[in-house]
Amino acid sequence: NAGVTQTPKFRILKIGQSMTLQCTQDMNHNYMYWYRQDPGMGLKLIYYSVGAGITDKGEVPNGYNVSRSTTEDFPLRLELAAPSQTSVYFCASSYGYEQYFGPGTRLTVT
Amino acid sequence: KQEVTQIPAALSVPEGENLVLNCSFTDSAIYNLQWFRQDPGKGLTSLLLIQSSQREQTSGRLNASLDKSSGRSTLYIAASQPGDSATYLCAGPRSNDYKLSFGAGTTVTVRA
Repeated sequence: NAGVTQTPKFRILKIGQSMTLQCTQDMNHNYMYWYRQDPGMGLKLIYYSVGAGITDKGEVPNGYNVSRSTTEDFPLRLELAAPSQTSVYFCASSYGYEQYFGPGTRLTVT
Repeated sequence: KQEVTQIPAALSVPEGENLVLNCSFTDSAIYNLQWFRQDPGKGLTSLLLIQSSQREQTSGRLNASLDKSSGRSTLYIAASQPGDSATYLCAGPRSNDYKLSFGAGTTVTVRA
């Protein structure tokens, strides 16, 4: 099993550009999550999903959008990139309470 | 809302010393608590998950305890090794919520 995979690993965006961060899991988990991690801070929840077709906002959803058309995939969309979105983004999945994380995407907006 | 705190932010110990990492949380109705390890530039790896009905959970040299009444969890790492150098994060949900609140982590350096 690959677990949770994320692409790309690194990306540099210019202000105002858009991009999609991809996340795929092969564990048939119902729950999926997007977090961001800023230096010296804990992870903050951006969006989460309890199953295909169902998504909801976390603590810091502004500037982001998600969709969940399949159990496996949970892409995160940045529509108009801003410097404040420079961060490391982690996708995670779970069947119950124990969450499994992907390797992360390091995004820089300049 | 569950608030999770980890103090200290960083810790340096000589090889062989036992490590004690602290995690505090505000909502005593916590359903479980999870400890993670994060290596530089990497994702999070789950180490231990303690259910609210448990007081301890052990895996090899790792032992985690949970005291809901005092709002504390402690991760013990016995006989530390340089390979234990990493950032350790704890996280907990509300009583019936899968969404996690994370501490900022404790960065551990084990000196050879």
